[in-house]
Amino acid sequence: KNEVEQSPQNLTAQEGEFITINCSYSVGISALHWLQQHPGGGIVSLFMLSSGKKKHGRLIATINIQEKHSSLHITASHPRDSAVYICAVHPSNTGNQFYFGTGTSLTVIP
Amino acid sequence: DAGVIQSPRHEVTEMGQEVTLRCKPISGHNSLFWYRQTMMRGLELLIYFNNNVPIDDSGMPEDRFSAKMPNASFSTLKIQPSEPRDSAVYFCASSTSAGITGELFFGEGSRLTVL
Repeated sequence: KNEVEQSPQNLTAQEGEFITINCSYSVGISALHWLQQHPGGGIVSLFMLSSGKKKHGRLIATINIQEKHSSLHITASHPRDSAVYICAVHPSNTGNQFYFGTGTSLTVIP
Repeated sequence: DAGVIQSPRHEVTEMGQEVTLRCKPISGHNSLFWYRQTMMRGLELLIYFNNNVPIDDSGMPEDRFSAKMPNASFSTLKIQPSEPRDSAVYFCASSTSAGITGELFFGEGSRLTVL
């Protein structure tokens, strides 16, 4: 059983397209993270959310605590956005554990 | 500012050998995390330190794994003896948060191959 499910697993888009990556989780949480992992392997934290919506440049992250769902949106996608996007949640009743999604592999074609 | 620094970046060793991975967190960060990433299991949290004290090591796979944080600027993850199934990328991350709900800053990772 996977506490965090991401969809789609793989996504190919044309440059300029609007992209949405979804994350659903099955436990109560105190925070949700969106991470970006580039082909070279480095991981960058994009957002940490506990409610509502956050925006950074062309990236927007939303969370609906009642529905246990978060989305990551990329506007005007660019080939440099090609990466694996990982959703991670911090459950609110299990100490300091993290549950990770398996990631969404995004390829943006010029 | 320097980010989280991990060493070595790549390590190839033979089964049974001791492996030591090192991490220097960002100065001023009081939380440090060790993660492991494999194709099969994705990212997994191994252990979490707060103010140099191990808070939760429930993710450490077995007794062959140990982690220490002797001071605020240095942590090690040791595997002894190593096995081929330990082959993975090991990430260290740090955070300013006293809990683990702060933004995470990751190192570049240490890619371990055990033959």
